[in-house]
Amino acid sequence: DTEVTQTPKHLVMGMTNKKSLKCEQHMGHRAMYWYKQKAKKPPELMFVYSYEKLSINESVPSRFSPECPNSSLLNLHLHALQPEDSALYLCASSQRRGSVNEKLFFGSGTQLSVL
Amino acid sequence: QKEVEQNSGPLSVPEGAIASLNCTYSDRVSQSFFWYRQYSGKSPELIMSIYSNGDKEDGRFTAQLNKASQYVSLLIRDSQPSDSATYLCAVNAEAYGQNFVFGPGTRLSVLP
Repeated sequence: DTEVTQTPKHLVMGMTNKKSLKCEQHMGHRAMYWYKQKAKKPPELMFVYSYEKLSINESVPSRFSPECPNSSLLNLHLHALQPEDSALYLCASSQRRGSVNEKLFFGSGTQLSVL
Repeated sequence: QKEVEQNSGPLSVPEGAIASLNCTYSDRVSQSFFWYRQYSGKSPELIMSIYSNGDKEDGRFTAQLNKASQYVSLLIRDSQPSDSATYLCAVNAEAYGQNFVFGPGTRLSVLP
């Protein structure tokens, strides 16, 4: 089983709204990631959690707030977003950071539109 | 300087032909290489991984790695219209402080 589950699949929100994206995996992976992908561009790393601790924050604006409640769950809290934040948000997981044969598995993504 | 480079395409091949997708990377210490397929509006799907020089075959897909030339390729034999997608090359690049660095992707179109 290589499934990473993301909800919701689509989200439309206003610039004053607060919403959360959710991600879950039950593969026993200890690294979880948030990526942002704009149309016709590659995924862009936002955050990495390793063993439930934030290990990489790629200078992401504070209107994006990640949370890792446990080893299976990853959330991304959204507040006061801008229209340019509209994108496909991808959650991914891997067994653990740094191993040579590590593979990255993506969830189905949340297509976010900010009005 | 980009770390992982790919031809953006589109690469068009007729059905049944071999599609050849190429990727170069700049970090000599990179150890793991991946090909992802991404359909429009969907998430990337891992289709091949390769860690050693040479060829690795899985069904209609063959990944080729040449670490001396810092080059990795993906061959798709007997291309089908359902192979039409964007193919992302990814490199495990611990030296960058990131696990995975993605190339810009090559858009493949298989014509019936």
